[in-house]
This record gives sequence, structure tokens and C-alpha cells, in this order.
Amino acid sequence: NAGVTQTPKFRVLKTGQSMTLLCAQDMNHEYMYWYRQDPGMGLRLIHYSVGEGTTAKGEVPDGYNVSRLKKQNFLLGLESAAPSQTSVYFCASSPGLAAKETQYFGPGTRLLVL
Amino acid sequence: AQSVTQLDSHVSVSEGTPVLLRCNYSSSYSPSLFWYVQHPNKGLQLLLKYTSAATLVKGINGFEAEFKKSETSFHLTKPSAHMSDAAEYFCVVSGHGSGNTGKLIFGQGTTLQVKP
Repeated sequence: NAGVTQTPKFRVLKTGQSMTLLCAQDMNHEYMYWYRQDPGMGLRLIHYSVGEGTTAKGEVPDGYNVSRLKKQNFLLGLESAAPSQTSVYFCASSPGLAAKETQYFGPGTRLLVL
Repeated sequence: AQSVTQLDSHVSVSEGTPVLLRCNYSSSYSPSLFWYVQHPNKGLQLLLKYTSAATLVKGINGFEAEFKKSETSFHLTKPSAHMSDAAEYFCVVSGHGSGNTGKLIFGQGTTLQVKP
């Protein structure tokens, strides 16, 4: 049971390039989330999904797109990377309504946009 | 709307002394509250959570937190710090309300330094 895994661990992009971050969970969780972590700001929710085929915007969705084609995977895409998207990205999953449920986090992806 | 404020960005203690990390929250609803810990270059791990049961919540590694509704606080404590406790700690409130899916709202984080 690997829990939540993220690919890649680290990436450097040039401004304007695109990339996709992959999150996979093997716990059969319905809910999945993408956060970004910036110094002094905690984690902020980018997008989330309440089930296969559904996605919704979080607190800071601009510049990102997501897809949840399979229950176990949640993809985060950057169509045209900007330096402001330099951050650490965390994926998380939970079995149900996160108000009372624990969210399980992946190890993170460090992204540097030059 | 929910929000959470961690009152200290950095706390330094000596090994073997008590730890207190302070957190105040704001919520229009009965909140669920969490403390997560993040060790350097690692993901976040749940320490403990409050979900309207006992107000004193015990977590892993000897940590505990007390929910005080009158003070809107959820401070994290540990009687005796260990070197391995050095990490960043996040106080988190879970959103409630119509149409909400329980999105987590994070505090800014408190860095705990433990000196030998």
C-alpha cells in the first residue's frame, strides 16, 4: 500500500512551457485535492475532485487545469508556466467528506519556473 | 467563512521542555480542526483532529490539543520536546456549510526548533 504518490519529484520549466503533474492513490478514495505551498502562506487549494469524472475549482485555480479520468489518478496541468507558479505542489486524498475525514498527502513536487 | 491563525511563525524550545503552538480559528459552523506536521522535504502527516467529540484530543508522538470554543482556540502541546519534533506544524480548519466539500483551510504554519 503506497498511499499517495506524486510524479515527478522535481521539475524545472521555462516560462511558457507546459507540463502535467500526476497524483496516484491506492486507497480507493473518492476525494482528491491539489494544493500549492508557498513560504509563509500554508497550503492553498488549487482544484479538487469529488469523484471520477468530476473536478471543481479551489481557492487559486487560475493557470491550472485538472482531470480525473480514473478514480485513482488526479492530474494537474500547467498549460503555459509562469514564474509565479514556482512552488511545491501537494496532492491529497480522503475517503469521504473531508470535514471529518483525514486527508492523506503525497510527498510533494517541487516546481521551478524560470 | 472559516479561517485559522497561527500566532507564532517560529517557536524555539530546548529538548525536554514543554511545547506550545498556538492556533485560533474562526468558523460560522461547528468546526473540524486538525494539526498536521511537515518534516523537511516531506509531505504532511496528521498529528490529531477534533471532530466535535472530546475537547481534549490526543495525537501521535505525545502531542495533544484542546478545543476551547469560548476562546476559539486549538493550541497544540507536548510535555517534553524531542529533537525529532523539529518540523513545521500547520493548524487546519475544515470548511463546512451548504455545498461545501470539507475543503481544508490552512494556517500559515509554525516552525518548531528544538535545541539540544
